[in-house]
Amino acid sequence: QSALTQPPSASGSPGQSVTISCTGTSSDVGGYNSVSWYQQHPGKAPKLMIYEVSKRPSGVPDRFSGSKSGNTASLTVSGLQAEDEADYYCSSYAGSNNLGVFGGGTKLTVL
Amino acid sequence: EVQLVQSGAEVKKPGESLKISCKGSGYSFANDWIGWVRQMPGKGLEWMGIIYPSDSDTRYSPSFQGQVTISADKSISTAYLQWSSLKASDTAMYYCARPIRGLVSSIEFWGQGTLVTVSS
Repeated sequence: QSALTQPPSASGSPGQSVTISCTGTSSDVGGYNSVSWYQQHPGKAPKLMIYEVSKRPSGVPDRFSGSKSGNTASLTVSGLQAEDEADYYCSSYAGSNNLGVFGGGTKLTVL
Repeated sequence: EVQLVQSGAEVKKPGESLKISCKGSGYSFANDWIGWVRQMPGKGLEWMGIIYPSDSDTRYSPSFQGQVTISADKSISTAYLQWSSLKASDTAMYYCARPIRGLVSSIEFWGQGTLVTVSS
């Protein structure tokens, strides 16, 4: 069982918006502003899409946005495109004695 | 350009030892944390451990403490992940990972992955 809880699947049509949730506890998501989101296409290495809850690395489209409320973080993908179909993983810092925890992943399908 | 280039796929038998590598370039290898992430077939991501090559400070996730050894040779900008006795359950893709400087839990750069298959 993963430390952070994500829905196993999400879907949306091209052009629509979809939001993926990531629920943890006050010891991880709720306790720090250090939530990251990764995109992983089949057979590829993960790619960092969001860090520190809502910051985008250079080159990540602004269609991807992150937020957090309490112990739940969210990734929103706006203007869905076919290439957004992938697995998405959240992760969070969980204290100085912990390397960080991941969610179980959400498979995003673009209908 | 930061690059992490991992060694090739391995097929091993249970009980055998293995050491896989990850060569970093395009940044100051000794002065940034680098670690390993496991992804079992069809499953999610798991932090295994991380090392600071400059002084070899190494930290392991509890699940992997005592199961693997992480090391680094800063003279050749290479990190290693080692098993002394492989098990079938070690079959997985292993990624080396360099976090954002100052944010150990956020991985900015990933290697291409090394597939380890353990089967009799």
